[in-house]
Amino acid sequence: AQSVSQHNHHVILSEAASLELGCNYSYGGTVNLFWYVQYPGQHLQLLLKYFSGDPLVKGIKGFEAEFIKSKFSFNLRKPSVQWSDTAEYFCAVNVDSNYQLIWGAGTKLIIKP
Amino acid sequence: EAQVTQNPRYLITVTGKKLTVTCSQNMNHEYMSWYRQDPGLGLRQIYYSMNVEVTDKGDVPEGYKVSRKEKRNFPLILESPSPNQTSLYFCASSAQIGTGNTEAFFGQGTRLTVV
Repeated sequence: AQSVSQHNHHVILSEAASLELGCNYSYGGTVNLFWYVQYPGQHLQLLLKYFSGDPLVKGIKGFEAEFIKSKFSFNLRKPSVQWSDTAEYFCAVNVDSNYQLIWGAGTKLIIKP
Repeated sequence: EAQVTQNPRYLITVTGKKLTVTCSQNMNHEYMSWYRQDPGLGLRQIYYSMNVEVTDKGDVPEGYKVSRKEKRNFPLILESPSPNQTSLYFCASSAQIGTGNTEAFFGQGTRLTVV
């Protein structure tokens, strides 16, 4: 069965540190890849997505992610985090243009001011 | 404004008392789904619907029912709630695959407590 792994459940960083959150999926076919963010007390919002083309995708708020097909990975990055980036981040995949999204367990990011 | 609306946002109920959480979207999306979010477990899909009158079980369907009589609405029904259904619930919708627009839009969430 397909699955999505987010390796870090909790990450604590200081402001201005660089961020990389890992996401790996297990599926060999065509995938669409997503990162969603959930700020405290809010619903999930799309941060960025990859469907095709340039494997380096840029999202909102300075986030970017790189799709590396050979590694089945879609890691999220930000060069310099801010306190307002404190949130939970979810990686999701849909396979073969299916409707269903397969979700990672999420990574709680805490930025210390 | 494109949105998914869930009601209520907060609900405390007692074991065994039937309840319904409503979900409505205004984007004419075919696909709708319900998730529950629990600490350390991420999002788990309860049920989904690919169109009117077409519903199917997700990963954790036990204790839940859904219906899709109209395209815009997808209510979640707990016939006899139990404390292990205490959770944060999200409704989501997305457009038909093939339009290049498979982003899922989420409702604001319903925090349910069953005592």
